[in-house]
Amino acid sequence: EAQVTQNPRYLITVTGKKLTVTCSQNMNHEYMSWYRQDPGLGLRQIYYSMNVEVTDKGDVPEGYKVSRKEKRNFPLILESPSPNQTSLYFCASSRTRAGGINEQFFGPGTRLTVL
Amino acid sequence: KNEVEQSPQNLTAQEGEFITINCSYSVGISALHWLQQHPGGGIVSLFMLSSGKKKHGRLIATINIQEKHSSLHITASHPRDSAVYICAASLSGGGADGLTFGKGTHLIIQP
Repeated sequence: EAQVTQNPRYLITVTGKKLTVTCSQNMNHEYMSWYRQDPGLGLRQIYYSMNVEVTDKGDVPEGYKVSRKEKRNFPLILESPSPNQTSLYFCASSRTRAGGINEQFFGPGTRLTVL
Repeated sequence: KNEVEQSPQNLTAQEGEFITINCSYSVGISALHWLQQHPGGGIVSLFMLSSGKKKHGRLIATINIQEKHSSLHITASHPRDSAVYICAASLSGGGADGLTFGKGTHLIIQP
């Protein structure tokens, strides 16, 4: 089954404790992206990757790191989480096309709480 | 920077009504995406448009590039259409594709 998986689905942690949220897709998609969703602010893009070893900042990259060493995986790293990073996080992937991307496939979301 | 505005923010309608959700953006884009977020939180892509019109079942999406405007229509609405509908714009230009999202339209269809 074609899918995007995220782990963990729920995480409660404390300020400053490094964490990684994993994202994996089995569709051989070139494009992968991370978003956060907050009440009243909607979805905002954190980082995206057009292909292996190529990453770019989205609208809200501060406090986050990503890597794209393999095509299928795109982990999101919070080196020193803070309470303002409490949010619902989505990973997504899609094929690329001339001039952009195709429809995106979203993971189920990771609800992160930083105390 | 691209700004994406959606209207209305909230919409309550009766079953069977024709629904229109609007999305406008401020700069040239390569594509406009319509997403649906279910009450449980999952997000699915409904359409990706770069011109014209697309139809899938009771859903129709249109885009007017000159006016920088897109609409999502739902015909013969049903309570199962209740969800948050989100538009997202990807900027023009080759290479990287950042996405900017509208804040979503919360749709409730009452039986």
